[in-house]
Amino acid sequence: QSALTQPASVSGSPGQSITISCTGSSSDIGGYSYVSWYQQHPGKAPKLMIYEIGNRPSGVPARFSGSKSGNTASLTISGLQAEDESDYYCCSYKSPDSYVFGTGTKVTVL
Amino acid sequence: QVQLVESGGGVVQPGRSLRLSCAASGFTFHDYSIHWFRQAPGTGLEWVAVASADGTIKFYGDSVKGRFTVSRDNSNNVLYLQMSSLRPDDTAMYYCAREPRSSVGGPSAFYFDFWGQGTLVTVS
Repeated sequence: QSALTQPASVSGSPGQSITISCTGSSSDIGGYSYVSWYQQHPGKAPKLMIYEIGNRPSGVPARFSGSKSGNTASLTISGLQAEDESDYYCCSYKSPDSYVFGTGTKVTVL
Repeated sequence: QVQLVESGGGVVQPGRSLRLSCAASGFTFHDYSIHWFRQAPGTGLEWVAVASADGTIKFYGDSVKGRFTVSRDNSNNVLYLQMSSLRPDDTAMYYCAREPRSSVGGPSAFYFDFWGQGTLVTVS
């Protein structure tokens, strides 16, 4: 199963906004509303940040938002903070009966 | 609080078998599908397998199909991953995670809200 395509790295200064793209196909991102995003600090387990394209679980700051257009999903961090420096992975349900993750994006806060 | 704790990892020779466990607490285990994932060193996440809430429905990723078997013991709140014919490229941190129930009914929400800390498998 081919991974979804994410930029390897994205950086921004504190307070800036950054967007991470996640590109798939009509059999995953384009065909379903089941896109989620995970934050993973080094040596730690992934943490759910966004589900169903743009929904935030309780406890996730409002500066995290998600969207989708066609076969590409996006995660935006508005008002970047130092603690947002981490790896981020998108994930999509993929027909039939499987899931595919993105290649991962390292976010650096300058 | 919801907890998932993986165990059973270690160093194993190619071609041998290993069984991982995922012990759950803090929620009604038999109401949720539970998934296995893995992450090879320095790489991204890969979905491995899922067992439905009652354990009757199981799906596998292409890279493990026919070699790995997922099962669960709902009496003891444990999910298992039996891994056989292990290969060096199975070397990874293995995580289990819970899939919530759909907010509009149905068993699947298609995302993963709680993760364990992982157990490391090295095939060498």
